[in-house]
Amino acid sequence: DGGITQSPKYLFRKEGQNVTLSCEQNLNHDAMYWYRQDPGQGLRLIYYSQIVNDFQKGDIAEGYSVSREKKESFPLTVTSAQKNPTAFYLCASSIDPASRGGSDTQYFGPGTRLTVL
Amino acid sequence: QQPVQSPQAVILREGEDAVINCSSSKALYSVHWYRQKHGEAPVFLMILLKGGEQKGHEKISASFNEKKQQSSLYLTASQLSYSGTYFCGTPDGSSNTGKLIFGQGTTLQVKP
Repeated sequence: DGGITQSPKYLFRKEGQNVTLSCEQNLNHDAMYWYRQDPGQGLRLIYYSQIVNDFQKGDIAEGYSVSREKKESFPLTVTSAQKNPTAFYLCASSIDPASRGGSDTQYFGPGTRLTVL
Repeated sequence: QQPVQSPQAVILREGEDAVINCSSSKALYSVHWYRQKHGEAPVFLMILLKGGEQKGHEKISASFNEKKQQSSLYLTASQLSYSGTYFCGTPDGSSNTGKLIFGQGTTLQVKP
């Protein structure tokens, strides 16, 4: 079964700690994205990557870091510099935005709910 | 620029119809519609491309008017399973990055 997996489902962090959220896809999609969702809010883009070894900041990248060493994987690290990290984090992927442009559909993983204690 | 969705919330009885609108101040290449159940990931419903075409998914259809820079989602004879938050997403600036900007969402509650 092809899809996007995120782990863990729930994550608790103490203040001052860095934590890493996992996102893996076996859809052979070129592009991957990380979003943050706060209660009652829409989706805000943190980082995105169109190809391996390349990624760009989204609208709210401060306090976060990513890597894209493999096509299948796009982990997100929430650093201690992120002052209010409690949120629902969603990872998504799409086939090939470079050639499909605005018609490239994003598919989402199940999400990780991060809570700062 | 974030697209604007209206209304913010809708409460329906089973079998009633609803319309959710998504408007942008920028020219649109496409509009993507998603539904999210509470605590779950957004699920892709459909994509509307330039040309004013309508699409359908079960009893849910949508239209796209690029001149008016808006799209509308039509939910016909609503079912309990339609409850959730609906988001529209539009490409951000350059259309070949894959980036989408999402509206704030419209919460739909269908009651028996």
